Amino acid sequence: DTEVTQTPKHLVMGMTNKKSLKCEQHMGHRAMYWYKQKAKKPPELMFVYSYEKLSINESVPSRFSPECPNSSLLNLHLHALQPEDSALYLCASSQEPAFSYEQYFGPGTRLTVT
Amino acid sequence: DQQVKQNSPSLSVQEGRISILNCDYTNSMFDYFLWYKKYPAEGPTFLISISSIKDKNEDGRFTVFLNKSAKHLSLHIVPSQPGDSAVYFCAASVGAGKSTFGDGTTLTVKP
Repeated sequence: DTEVTQTPKHLVMGMTNKKSLKCEQHMGHRAMYWYKQKAKKPPELMFVYSYEKLSINESVPSRFSPECPNSSLLNLHLHALQPEDSALYLCASSQEPAFSYEQYFGPGTRLTVT
Repeated sequence: DQQVKQNSPSLSVQEGRISILNCDYTNSMFDYFLWYKKYPAEGPTFLISISSIKDKNEDGRFTVFLNKSAKHLSLHIVPSQPGDSAVYFCAASVGAGKSTFGDGTTLTVKP
């Protein structure tokens, strides 16, 4: 199984809502990532979890809150988002927490903040 | 300062011909380079990588060339197929450090 799954595929939320994005992998990978991607732009790193511990936070606003309940799961909790946060949110994993290892990406969650 | 640049936003090639996608970088400390392909509504998919100790890496129809003195790498696809039509990102990292992505090149392979 070389798949990273993400739910939901699409999410529309208001600025006062609280929602969560979920990501799952069963490849035994020890690193998991959250990226944000705007149209016609490259993926932008948000967070890295290494062996279930947060190792990189790219100065992401606190309205985004990551969580890694176990080695296979990664969540991104959303609260009080702004319309400019509308984007494709990608989860990825890699065998080891090093960017020289290939990352396996999920299909993404298309988020629209109204 | 954008450290990884893909100067061609788009490229159109006839099926069966060679596609050459280019990537330039400014940070001489980069020592690992990866190419990802992305279809619409999907996440990026790893294609091929190269470390700075090599100048060429080949995997089937895909070959990556690295010219360290010019700080330039290229991805060659031979022969190109319509299914190769996608956005291609190059990424570079220093050792195990964070990857820096280019802006991507949209490849269209015409039947």
